[in-house]
Amino acid sequence: LAKTTQPISMDSYEGQEVNITCSHNNIATNDYITWYQQFPSQGPRFIIQGYKTKVTNEVASLFIPADRKSSTLSLPRVSLSDTAVYYCLVGDLYSSASKIIFGSGTRLSIRP
Amino acid sequence: NAGVTQTPKFQVLKTGQSMTLQCAQDMNHEYMSWYRQDPGMGLRLIHYSVGAGITDQGEVPNGYNVSRSTTEDFPLRLLSAAPSQTSVYFCASSYLTSGSGEQFFGPGTRLTVL
Repeated sequence: LAKTTQPISMDSYEGQEVNITCSHNNIATNDYITWYQQFPSQGPRFIIQGYKTKVTNEVASLFIPADRKSSTLSLPRVSLSDTAVYYCLVGDLYSSASKIIFGSGTRLSIRP
Repeated sequence: NAGVTQTPKFQVLKTGQSMTLQCAQDMNHEYMSWYRQDPGMGLRLIHYSVGAGITDQGEVPNGYNVSRSTTEDFPLRLLSAAPSQTSVYFCASSYLTSGSGEQFFGPGTRLTVL
């Protein structure tokens, strides 16, 4: 499984755009990139998933460069409620089951 | 749909006791998994299943047993509880059997072993 590396923590302010980068140098050809959000005392929640270029939904955007060795989760105009831990994962959607590794994630703190 | 449900929400055990954490999903997902999360840490995979009758070990399986007799249920058994098993336990399910698709998580069980 490709290992991912993320910053341990990030700080930002309300109304700002926040970009969290994830490094996955050993990503395999069939791997997708998935991001989860976790609030304290809750289970993780799926945010976005993509394979290449750019994916956008109502919550976030995911930017993936051509070499796919990294990806960036972009949160537009964050609010205090975006304070959470964000996890980046990579894996083959359609292979046989593998051991999903969450890593330590990025702790994002939003200030007023 | 209730999604993924877990019981109990909280549990306190004494060292050596056994118990079963319950997990159920009503989305007809084939893939189910159990994670533990220690304070300030990420999630670690304990066991997973790709369908009824099929289970496999994750990253940290020691001290835990699972079985999958139905698509809906995936209980986690602690055989002889130890203080090192104090953690929050999350169950998840996914439509794709790889586990790499979107996973839906339950609310968690907070376990303390004295």
